[in-house]
Amino acid sequence: EAVLTQSPGTLSLSPGERATLSCRASQSVSSSSLAWYQQRPGQAPRLLIYGASSRATGIPDRFSGSGSGTDFTLTISRLEPEDFAVYYCQHYGNSPYTFGQGTKLEIK
Amino acid sequence: EVRLVESGGGLVQPGGSLRLSCAASGFTFTSHAMSWVRQAPGKGLEWVSGIGGTTSNTYYANSVKGRLTVSRDNYKNTLYLQMNSLTGEDTAIYYCAKESRGYNSGIFDSWGEGTLVTVSS
Repeated sequence: EAVLTQSPGTLSLSPGERATLSCRASQSVSSSSLAWYQQRPGQAPRLLIYGASSRATGIPDRFSGSGSGTDFTLTISRLEPEDFAVYYCQHYGNSPYTFGQGTKLEIK
Repeated sequence: EVRLVESGGGLVQPGGSLRLSCAASGFTFTSHAMSWVRQAPGKGLEWVSGIGGTTSNTYYANSVKGRLTVSRDNYKNTLYLQMNSLTGEDTAIYYCAKESRGYNSGIFDSWGEGTLVTVSS
């Protein structure tokens, strides 16, 4: 099973700035099996991206995903106040499905 | 609108048992696999178990295999998680998650608000 390592652990930015979050897999994974989730404080996670780059229903186009092999990226083009949250990447090729440890995006 | 409502959490002693339920509405329940994902206090997400939409196929994380059992009642649109031999490491919020396909794909496109399980004496 692939171990996912996210970086940085915490990212401090201001609204309007661009955010780049990284997810590195311990072994090459299919790009069709990589997802990103957002979790706001006190809320359940929400699916943002699946298949490494496909936005889930209702997700604004300021969110984009890219990458292949072992290196994947979630980019938020212009941060809105509601984007400050914790973000998790996930590999879902075969069970057990694994999550990264999360990146906390905080207001600078 | 998809709605997933978990219930059954609470305080249980080490070695005890608990059964969680997840009532689903707003979608064709049998067309979707379902999973349980947990989150220990202040920690990240951990997939626990999954079950196919209409098959009896079930899947478990190694950490819970043999102690937790997932099932579903497609007539009641309800997902269950029977939890036995609980330890402090099982303390977490347990989320019910709808998968995007009828078979277990691991893409969780809707989540409930979760139910808290605390294992403590």
